[in-house]
Amino acid sequence: DAGITQSPRHKVTETGTPVTLRCHQTENHRYMYWYRQDPGHGLRLIHYSYGVKDTDKGEVSDGYSVSRSKTEDFLLTLESATSSQTSVYFCAIRAGGNTGELFFGEGSRLTVL
Amino acid sequence: GNSVTQMEGPVTLSEEAFLTINCTYTATGYPSLFWYVQYPGEGLQLLLKATKADDKGSNKGFEATYRKETTSFHLEKGSVQVSDSAVYFCALSDSETGANNLFFGTGTRLTVIP
Repeated sequence: DAGITQSPRHKVTETGTPVTLRCHQTENHRYMYWYRQDPGHGLRLIHYSYGVKDTDKGEVSDGYSVSRSKTEDFLLTLESATSSQTSVYFCAIRAGGNTGELFFGEGSRLTVL
Repeated sequence: GNSVTQMEGPVTLSEEAFLTINCTYTATGYPSLFWYVQYPGEGLQLLLKATKADDKGSNKGFEATYRKETTSFHLEKGSVQVSDSAVYFCALSDSETGANNLFFGTGTRLTVIP
């Protein structure tokens, strides 16, 4: 158990509304990531963070913003949700060591109507 | 750039059959390679990894060998069980940027029938 909690686990919202997903970790890891999972695409990186207030874009960052004001929390915000953002969102942390594996949360399923 | 090409599924096998899921990659530098497994309704779990050429990762009867000459990391299991039914993802580590993230294949759904 890597101590990652995502909330909410399920959310249904309407087009144009803002949505924030939260990722919380208990083990003080420096690197945190947000991925989205879609059929036929596997997982794709949205944004990542390498420390408090240090974030950068991933492969599919358009329409998303992130914030990390505390080590333990990494927030993903959809300012104005669109139907194309219907997906399952996974938070991940990079644990210590040089081998590069990530540990994932259980996912947040978002449906935008 | 980095990319992973994974065998398309779905794959359906009978219990005790031999499993191979093909994975090839494109990368610069010397990435680590991974197989993750996702059971229904859950997040991804690390199944096995290999960090350099010719390394063999293994776990729960699954194996994969890091083949630099063929840029492959095929997943194998000699005798699958119903409980192995899941989606399997091949991934490689980013060795180009400072993101230290993973690049994933599209996933292969495995169903094992009794």
